[in-house]
Parts: sequence; C-alpha cells; structure tokens
Amino acid sequence: EAGVTQSPTHLIKTRGQQATLRCSPISGHTSVYWYQQALGLGLQFLLWYDEGEERNRGNFPPRFSGRQFPNYSSELNVNALELEDSALYLCASSLEVFLGNQPQHFGDGTRLSIL
Amino acid sequence: GNSVTQMEGPVTLSEEAFLTINCTYTATGYPSLFWYVQYPGEGLQLLLKATKADDKGSNKGFEATYRKETTSFHLEKGSVQVSDSAVYFCALSDREAGKSTFGDGTTLTVKP
Repeated sequence: EAGVTQSPTHLIKTRGQQATLRCSPISGHTSVYWYQQALGLGLQFLLWYDEGEERNRGNFPPRFSGRQFPNYSSELNVNALELEDSALYLCASSLEVFLGNQPQHFGDGTRLSIL
Repeated sequence: GNSVTQMEGPVTLSEEAFLTINCTYTATGYPSLFWYVQYPGEGLQLLLKATKADDKGSNKGFEATYRKETTSFHLEKGSVQVSDSAVYFCALSDREAGKSTFGDGTTLTVKP
C-alpha cells in the first residue's frame, strides 16, 4: 500500500511569491490534514479537509489556503510568502474521522525555504 | 481547548539505558492518545496508540499506558538502541475538531 506522498520535496521561493504544495493520501482515506513544522517548533495545525470540504482551520492568516479534490488529494497554497513561512509542511491522511479516533499517517513533507 | 505537554528535551542516553518521556494532556471527552516518532528527514510515523483509559499501547519495545486519573501517557522503553534516536511526539485526537493536538516533541539521542 502506498503511503502519503507529497510534492515537491523541496521548494525555494522569494518573499512575496506564491507556493503550491501537493499531497496524495493513502488510498481509502478521506481526511487530509496540513501541519507546519518550523525549525525548533512543534507541529502547528493548519487545515483539515474531509470529503472535499474544509472542516477546521488553525490559527493562520487567510493567505494560507487549500482545497481537496474529488480523488481526495489536496493542495496547500501560501500567498504573499514571508520569511517566517520557511518550514517543513507535513500532510497527513486518515480514515473518516467519524468512524472513531483514527491515527494519522504522514508524508515526508515539503521543505519550503523563503529567500 | 485541548493541549499536550511533554517532557522537554533533548534527552541523551547510553545504549541499553531505560527511557521515559513524560506526556500529560488536557482534553474534554474521551480522546485517543498516540505516540509518533520522526526520524531525521522523514515525516511522522505512528509508534503506538491507546483508545481508552487503562489501555496499554506497545510497539518495538516501547510502551505507554493511558492514565485518565493522572491525564498522562508516558512513553517507556526498557533498553534503548542507537537506532531509537529520533524526535518523539505525544498527541491526542479530537474527533469533534477532526484534528490531532501534538506536544512540542522530545529529541532523543542514544550514544553507543
């Protein structure tokens, strides 16, 4: 079974640009989560998508947005990039949350560097 | 809201030493509790889980018991190996919010 896949592995941008990060969940998983892991900090919850809908959002500005496609894959978009957006962005997927408290399965992340 | 507090690191141990990483939580309802491990350059992997009070999760020699009375889920291993060097995250899942809340992570380094 293929795990969660994220692309690209690394992304280098400059301040003010826009970045798009992609995630493919494990087959059969309908929920996708995005987290930001900045250097020296823990995981900060960004977004939760389930069945194509945004279900919950962390404490991040509106320039962080995303979507989930009919095949359950997901995109995270970050507009007007700032230096502090440099971080590892992790995507996770799980079975339908309402089946119970499901563990999340993580991809290896996209390292976003802002110059 | 929910929160997870775990022991600050870094933790450095010699091979075959006993490991404890403390984790306490605050949550409403009956969350499930998890330990994840992150090896360098990789994403998080589920290490073990417990879904109700007094459950013990175990995997690869690691154990943790869901203690509702002390709101704790401490990670233990009787004899660590160099290959256990990684960052360990304690987490709880909140079915209502649909997300997991993670602790800040504890870096473990095991020296030969």
